[in-house]
Amino acid sequence: GAVVSQHPSRVICKSGTSVKIECRSLDFQATTMFWYRQFPKQSLMLMATSNEGSKATYEQGVEKDKFLINHASLTLSTLTVTSAHPEDSSFYICSANRQDSQPQHFGDGTRLSIL
Amino acid sequence: DAKTTQPTSMDCAEGRAANLPCNHSTISGNEYVYWYRQIHSQGPQYIIHGLKNNETNEMASLIITEDRKSSTLILPHATLRDTAVYYCIVRATGANSKLTFGKGITLSVRP
Repeated sequence: GAVVSQHPSRVICKSGTSVKIECRSLDFQATTMFWYRQFPKQSLMLMATSNEGSKATYEQGVEKDKFLINHASLTLSTLTVTSAHPEDSSFYICSANRQDSQPQHFGDGTRLSIL
Repeated sequence: DAKTTQPTSMDCAEGRAANLPCNHSTISGNEYVYWYRQIHSQGPQYIIHGLKNNETNEMASLIITEDRKSSTLILPHATLRDTAVYYCIVRATGANSKLTFGKGITLSVRP
């Protein structure tokens, strides 16, 4: 069964709205979670590494003020797309490790559409 | 940049084995080979990983060459539901270690 849950699965909203996406590890604690973005017909691109209790580490070219990440507990990380615009429309996916030596497991993704 | 190279696409007949190759000639000693797949509009699904020994689980087998510069993912009896993009990724251990996705290989299983 799923070990990482992502919510919501789909969001459609107006330009200028801020959207929050949740990522939960279901039966384990995850000190580190990862956020990816995937545009149509492209591969997954890592946006940031979310660390419980500390600031997220963003990949080059990703605006930290645009994509706010909060990892306040060992089972929950949130990604907020602030003042979203049509170019932010994408498939957002999170992942988490059970343990250091274990593979990352991914959520089912959130399809964000900005009108 | 991804550290692996894979063919763009391949197909196989349902019920036959699907052998998906991957080159990772610059792999480091502490890096594992991971395989994930992504079915359309879903998150990636973990398949298998290995360091240097061959591995097998309920989904697939992973064959890694002795010099570790290439590997092959084997789906022993492909079904239509195995149609997906398969990603071969090298990654070091550690909770903060990233997965860098390349373009993957699109496997099409035909009836």
